[in-house]
Amino acid sequence: DAGVIQSPRHEVTEMGQEVTLRCKPISGHDYLFWYRQTMMRGLELLIYFNNNVPIDDSGMPEDRFSAKMPNASFSTLKIQPSEPRDSAVYFCASSRQGDSPLHFGNGTRLTVT
Amino acid sequence: AQSVTQLDSQVPVFEEAPVELRCNYSSSVSVYLFWYVQYPNQGLQLLLKYLSGSTLVKGINGFEAEFNKSQTSFHLRKPSVHISDTAEYFCAVSDTGGFKTIFGAGTRLFVKA
Repeated sequence: DAGVIQSPRHEVTEMGQEVTLRCKPISGHDYLFWYRQTMMRGLELLIYFNNNVPIDDSGMPEDRFSAKMPNASFSTLKIQPSEPRDSAVYFCASSRQGDSPLHFGNGTRLTVT
Repeated sequence: AQSVTQLDSQVPVFEEAPVELRCNYSSSVSVYLFWYVQYPNQGLQLLLKYLSGSTLVKGINGFEAEFNKSQTSFHLRKPSVHISDTAEYFCAVSDTGGFKTIFGAGTRLFVKA
C-alpha cells in the first residue's frame, strides 16, 4: 500500500497563474477529500467525492477553485487564477467508507507571490 | 452541523510526565470521533477512533481517549510522554450519516527534556 500520493510537494507561482494539484488515492478507497491547511483557519474541507462523484463542494472558497475526479485513481484541484491568499498546504485524503479514518497524503505546499 | 473545540492551542510538558489534550464537540446527531497526529511536513495520521461500544478507546503510541457523551468530550491522554510525541494533535468528528470530517484547530504538544 503506497498510501495517498500528492504532487507536487511544493509549488511556487506568481499571482494570476493557473495551479493544478494532483492526488492519487489508495486503491479501493471510495471517498476522496481535499483539505486546505493554514495557520489562520486550520484544516478546512474544500470538497469530497464518493465513487468519483462530487458530493459536497460547499467548502470551495470561490469560483477560482475547481476539482475533478475523472477516475477512481486520480483527482485534481485547480486554482485559476491564483492569488497570494491561496497560499497554504493542500491535503488530499481518502477513505474506504464513512466510518473509516482518513488517510492523508503529505500535502502540497503552495506559495503564490 | 458539527463543530469541534480544542481547548488548548499549546501544551508544554516534561518528558515522562502525563498529558491530557482536551476536545469538546457539538452535534445534533450521533457522531464518530477521531484523534489524528501531524508531524512536521507530513500529513495527518490516525491515532485512535471511537465509533461505538466501549467509551475508552486505545490507540497507537500509548495514547487513549475517553468518550463522554453527557459532556460531549473526547479528551486524549497519555500516562508518560516521550520527546518523540512532540507534534500537533487534531480532534475530529464526522456524523454517522454522512462522511464529512470536521477538524478542531489543533493542539501543539511540546515535550521537553
